[in-house]
Amino acid sequence: DQQVKQNSPSLSVQEGRISILNCDYTNSMFDYFLWYKKYPAEGPTFLISISSIKDKNEDGRFTVFLNKSAKHLSLHIVPSQPGDSAVYFCAANGVGAQKLVFGQGTRLTINP
Amino acid sequence: NAGVMQNPRHLVRRRGQEARLRCSPMKGHSHVYWYRQLPEEGLKFMVYLQKENIIDESGMPKERFSAEFPKEGPSILRIQQVVRGDSAAYFCASSPRADYGYTFGSGTRLTVV
Repeated sequence: DQQVKQNSPSLSVQEGRISILNCDYTNSMFDYFLWYKKYPAEGPTFLISISSIKDKNEDGRFTVFLNKSAKHLSLHIVPSQPGDSAVYFCAANGVGAQKLVFGQGTRLTINP
Repeated sequence: NAGVMQNPRHLVRRRGQEARLRCSPMKGHSHVYWYRQLPEEGLKFMVYLQKENIIDESGMPKERFSAEFPKEGPSILRIQQVVRGDSAAYFCASSPRADYGYTFGSGTRLTVV
């Protein structure tokens, strides 16, 4: 039962344009959502998060949007840079739960 | 302040052998989490430990897998009688308290031949 889904295994974007990564979830008990970035042979690195009481959180070039009614969140990166090429994971957890449920990941490639 | 340290980075075991994966959390962190990433999949939660206690092991396979986080020393994930399906990247993360975000290590890549 995949509770967090990233339906696009890969995405290719031109440098300077906007990258939009999507994530859907099924568990309505999730109340905190995170995005992680992962380079090959390294561990995931925290990027940005959002609580279920918000619908948007912004940090520099990164913005996360949450649509609770659709159980959907997205990560926007603008402008995209070559160093953004990595695998991006969406993750979620519920109230009082320390474990994260991860999506399968989306491999983002930024083309010069 | 060193990050979360995992060793070894790469581990090769023959079927039937034991694998021991070590994780030293960041200084001041007493909460440790283990995740497993199978090829082409996301990370799957395995176990959450505090010093000397297992808090949540709902993601641990019922047999052959065990984890500990002793009062002194690193956290250990132990896999007995490894099989090919255990080949994966195993990531450890740590946090200073339960309601705080955590930091991942670089992982141990286990290959069972």
